[in-house]
Amino acid sequence: AQKVTQAQTEISVVEKEDVTLDCVYETRDTTYYLFWYKQPPSGELVFLIRRNSFDEQNEISGRYSWNFQKSTSSFNFTITASQVVDSAVYFCALIDGMYSGGGADGLTFGKGTHLIIQP
Amino acid sequence: DTEVTQTPKHLVMGMTNKKSLKCEQHMGHRAMYWYKQKAKKPPELMFVYSYEKLSINESVPSRFSPECPNSSLLNLHLHALQPEDSALYLCASSQVGGGSGANVLTFGAGSRLTVL
Repeated sequence: AQKVTQAQTEISVVEKEDVTLDCVYETRDTTYYLFWYKQPPSGELVFLIRRNSFDEQNEISGRYSWNFQKSTSSFNFTITASQVVDSAVYFCALIDGMYSGGGADGLTFGKGTHLIIQP
Repeated sequence: DTEVTQTPKHLVMGMTNKKSLKCEQHMGHRAMYWYKQKAKKPPELMFVYSYEKLSINESVPSRFSPECPNSSLLNLHLHALQPEDSALYLCASSQVGGGSGANVLTFGAGSRLTVL
């Protein structure tokens, strides 16, 4: 069965610090997708990134960067120079198996990391 | 503005009431989803519709009844709910098939339900 573990329940840092959110996943399939979503206090889940299992290239988008390592089954998310607006709950999620080939399936979410950026 | 619109934003109902949650998207997505999220928990999948047909029901109690009248609309009919059903109900949509948008769920802002 697929599983996503976010061991950090809550992280609190001071603004402008760098912060890394950890995500470890389990799957028996060779084809899968990994995701990060942000959920601010308003409640809406905002898509940040999707990475497929065949693409281990790290990605940078502005202050955000993602490190995907299949050898350790990890997909970590780093925010550089954090800002108060980054405060939110961040979810790592996974889709694997037959549906990851393009069908419709639901995401399996980790428990989320509550990130607090203090001014 | 979100591209998935959910109404109402807030709903309070008694255990004997019948109510409905509505979701609409105009992105041409052919998969739509209902998730339930309790406080400080991750979203839990309830239902998936693919091409207007129910494809996944995660053993949800029959007091929750989904409906997909067309490719843009998704409803969740509620009847005889329990106080423990109080939660944030999230609707999402996605493309079906391959491509860069496959499996990328776009979520609405949610409907916060309170059952008295």
